[in-house]
Amino acid sequence: EAGVAQSPRYKIIEKRQSVAFWCNPISGHATLYWYQQILGQGPKLLIQFQNNGVVDDSQLPKDRFSAERLKGVDSTLKIQPAKLEDSAVYLCASSAPGAVGYTFGSGTRLTVV
Amino acid sequence: SQQGEEDPQALSIQEGENATMNCSYKTSINNLQWYRQNSGRGLVHLILIRSNEREKHSGRLRVTLDTSKKSSSLLITASRAADTASYFCATDEGASKIIFGSGTRLSIRP
Repeated sequence: EAGVAQSPRYKIIEKRQSVAFWCNPISGHATLYWYQQILGQGPKLLIQFQNNGVVDDSQLPKDRFSAERLKGVDSTLKIQPAKLEDSAVYLCASSAPGAVGYTFGSGTRLTVV
Repeated sequence: SQQGEEDPQALSIQEGENATMNCSYKTSINNLQWYRQNSGRGLVHLILIRSNEREKHSGRLRVTLDTSKKSSSLLITASRAADTASYFCATDEGASKIIFGSGTRLSIRP
């Protein structure tokens, strides 16, 4: 089966600019997650979708971050405006009901300068 | 917030030796998972152990869980160069949410 697809692979932007990341989960996986992984740390959950509804966005900085999953399939994560501390790898993962473990994409490495 | 904390933060061993990583967590769990992350890649699920299990094996991997001590260990036997990666434990928080630890960076020397 195809894996979780993410794009772009790398992105460099200046602070205060905006950026968007895209994720296409494994077909049939109802749950989709966005994680932020700062260098040297473990992934931190930003938002969790079940189909096209938000289950948990408690750690999403809502003043600058937004995410959507309009048709319950692919998803976009946006940052506007970006800050230097947003430099990280943004990982998308998906899971199916009853499945063991998540399947992760390769991530988007964001550098804010 | 991070539920699990891995120890050591970094580990370097000779190829063929065994590698042991530990994970401690804070609150009660239903299950604990281990993931591997190669440099510049996403995480790959390795193994899940449920709270009523004490030990689980998968190939060269052996995971133990001690719920009384809120700790788990991951043993990789007969290490290979391809095992060089970061390893994370993840514990469940709520029905479908998992929280990752800070990871152990494992380096295998040839």
